Amino acid sequence: DVKVTQSSRYLVKRTGEKVFLECVQDMDHENMFWYRQDPGLGLRLIYFSYDVKMKEKGDIPEGYSVSREKKERFSLILESASTNQTSMYLCASRVRQGAYEQYFGPGTRLTVT
Amino acid sequence: GENVEQHPSTLSVQEGDSAVIKCTYSDSASNYFPWYKQELGKRPQLIIDIRSNVGEKKDQRIAVTLNKTAKHFSLHITETQPEDSAVYFCAASIGNTDKLIFGTGTRLQVFP
Repeated sequence: DVKVTQSSRYLVKRTGEKVFLECVQDMDHENMFWYRQDPGLGLRLIYFSYDVKMKEKGDIPEGYSVSREKKERFSLILESASTNQTSMYLCASRVRQGAYEQYFGPGTRLTVT
Repeated sequence: GENVEQHPSTLSVQEGDSAVIKCTYSDSASNYFPWYKQELGKRPQLIIDIRSNVGEKKDQRIAVTLNKTAKHFSLHITETQPEDSAVYFCAASIGNTDKLIFGTGTRLQVFP
């Protein structure tokens, strides 16, 4: 079974803090994704990476950055957290381009106060 | 830009009844349409998908139909059971890329 793990299930941070959300997959997948999930808005793509050191902007990249130094790890960074970034963050991985199915992590519920 | 509309946002059915969730997409070049199920507090999981060269696909009690002309696709669940209760998301590939754009989700409740 593919296993995608995220560093925290729940996180509370203050406005202006730098926040790191970590995602690790153990199946040697090439592609990784970060989404945020908000009620009534579904899943929206923040950033994705097709391979190590590669990153591409998704639909809502503003206020976020990412890092992929190793194939198995994809980090989402909030440089200066704001209250409108309170959300559920989901990481996903995929074998490679063209494989289509994405495997999701359990999510991190981030609250910014 | 591209978007996927999903209806209804909530759906309540009696156990044993059928449930249908509908999605429409805007990009005629989309060629892959998955459905994900997210149970309460759990991660989304793929339950069925369809490619644009197929009109219908079935897997036991679930089926997906695709109408490329009208640019809509639907999830059908027959003989619903309480364990079908979850949020269901449809998605469509963006053009002929393999990025996905998701619908807003449907909360299905199946009452015993």
